[in-house]
Amino acid sequence: EDQVTQSPEALRLQEGESSSLNCSYTVSGLRGLFWYRQDPGKGPEFLFTLYSAGEEKEKERLKATLTKKESFLHITAPKPEDSATYLCAVRNNAGNMLTFGGGTRLMVKP
Amino acid sequence: NAGVTQTPKFQVLKTGQSMTLQCAQDMNHNSMYWYRQDPGMGLRLIYYSASEGTTDKGEVPNGYNVSRLNKREFSLRLESAAPSQTSVYFCASSEIMQETQYFGPGTRLLVL
Repeated sequence: EDQVTQSPEALRLQEGESSSLNCSYTVSGLRGLFWYRQDPGKGPEFLFTLYSAGEEKEKERLKATLTKKESFLHITAPKPEDSATYLCAVRNNAGNMLTFGGGTRLMVKP
Repeated sequence: NAGVTQTPKFQVLKTGQSMTLQCAQDMNHNSMYWYRQDPGMGLRLIYYSASEGTTDKGEVPNGYNVSRLNKREFSLRLESAAPSQTSVYFCASSEIMQETQYFGPGTRLLVL
């Protein structure tokens, strides 16, 4: 059974204070690891897809990295508008389902 | 493009009542999905439709039915609502099953 664990559950940062969010996974043949951002009362918004260990992707202040057991979402010099819940999900080699983690709620104070 | 749209945005039901949640996408995607999101449980797949004319069960299908009405629309029906079905429901779509999923804004359902 595929499993995804995200840590920490909640993270409070000061504006400009860089940090990382963790997504640990066990999956039968990884066919993609996905990061989403979710604002309160809204649907998840796609950020990145990573397919193989060593792969990295960047978007503005966000950088996602992937190893064989976990993924990190690095946030550099965050701003209050980066406050949201960040979700991680994996797809296995059967390809028909995503398994989501519980999310990390990020709060960035000005 | 509106992307993925869902109606209604919010609904209150009494136990035993039925209702249908509507979802439509304008991205010409082949695959569509229904998820529920509960505190501490994450997003869980209820049903999916890999392509027009097909539907399959996901992780938590009990108490739900779906209809892929056409390529654009995928509805979720609760025949006899139960308090355990109180949740936020999200519809998503992707070009094909193996591609990135894009989510709608959600329907908040409260079953009393």
